[in-house]
Parts: sequence; structure tokens; C-alpha cells
Amino acid sequence: ELKVEQNPLFLSMQEGKNYTIYCNYSTTSDRLYWYRQDPGKSLESLFVLLSNGAVKQEGRLMASLDTKARLSTLHITAAVHDLSATYFCAVDASFGGGADGLTFGKGTHLIIQP
Amino acid sequence: NAGVTQTPKFRILKIGQSMTLQCTQDMNHNYMYWYRQDPGMGLKLIYYSVGAGITDKGEVPNGYNVSRSTTEDFPLRLELAAPSQTSVYFCASSTSDSQSFFGPGTRLTVL
Repeated sequence: ELKVEQNPLFLSMQEGKNYTIYCNYSTTSDRLYWYRQDPGKSLESLFVLLSNGAVKQEGRLMASLDTKARLSTLHITAAVHDLSATYFCAVDASFGGGADGLTFGKGTHLIIQP
Repeated sequence: NAGVTQTPKFRILKIGQSMTLQCTQDMNHNYMYWYRQDPGMGLKLIYYSVGAGITDKGEVPNGYNVSRSTTEDFPLRLELAAPSQTSVYFCASSTSDSQSFFGPGTRLTVL
């Protein structure tokens, strides 16, 4: 059974600081996704990581994937209040190029304070 | 493109009642999914479909049924609703190697 663990689950940080969210998973996969969810809203796709060593950046967020370590990171640079949200990583462990659904971590609830 | 649409947005059911959550996508995606999200938790896969006429169970299928008669529609049926099915339900669609696109969700309460 695939397990996806995020840490921390809760993070309160100040504007202007840097921090990293970690996502570990328990089985072989080279497809990992990061989503953002605002309170009461749906999930918004942030990054799609499809190979070992993949690195994607968008604004103050950067995501990376190490398939050998089964680890992805989401790095926040110079945080601003608008980045306050819950961030989920999700892993697709389907075989044969299929897409049989994602296994999600529990999410990291991020609060950025002035 | 409307993307993935879900109806209703909210619903309150009594224990033992049944209902169908509707999901439609206009992106011609083969893959469709139903997830549930309990408070403070990640999403869990209920059922998925790899194409019209093909469905399969996910992690938490008990108490639910699905059908996929067209590429666009993937309804989720709750029979004999129970309080444990109180949750937010998200429908999603994707291609085989793309991100999943999520609908706005249906917030269901079973009393």
C-alpha cells in the first residue's frame, strides 16, 4: 500500500522567511504533483514532476523530485501572506503508463504572518 | 471550457436516504475520479474510470457506486447514506500523464 507523508503538517512563519515542506512516499513512482487548497475551495495544481531530478519554479515556490530517495520538496522563498493555504503532495503509482488515481498526503497547513 | 463541473454544491441527507452526485468534464479526458476529503485530511480515492464503460474501486469504495456511460459524465451514487459519509466530495479528470483537474466539490452532510 502506497503511503505519502508530509511534514510539517502545520507551519506558521513570518513574511520574508524561507522554508521547505517535505513529502516522502513509500513505493516506486516518478509522477508527483503539488496542489494548493484555500479554505472551502477546490484544489489548484501547482507543479507536475514527472522524472527524477525534476525541478519546477513558479514565483516564490520551487518544487523538486528525487525518485531514488522517494522524496519531494516544496521550497518557499521570501514568503508573503498570499501564500497562506494548505499544500498537498500527491503521488501516482500506476503501472504501465496508466493513471489510476492519486494518493495524497495529509497536507501542510501554512500560515504566513506579517 | 467549463472544465470539471459538479452538482449539487451542498446537500443534507437523512440517514438511509440515497442520492447521486453529478460530475461532468468537457476536456475529453479518458480518466475520471471521485475523491472524498474529510476535515483536516488529504483526499482519498473512492472510484475511478479509465474510459467509458470501465470503472474500478479505489481506496474507500464501500457505500458508493459509479457508472461511466459517456466520456463526459461520471456520477457517484450513495445508497443508504450514513453519518460516516459526511464529507466533501471532489470529482477530477485527467489524461494518462497530466495533472488531475478538480471540480469545485460537493459538501455533503448526513444527519
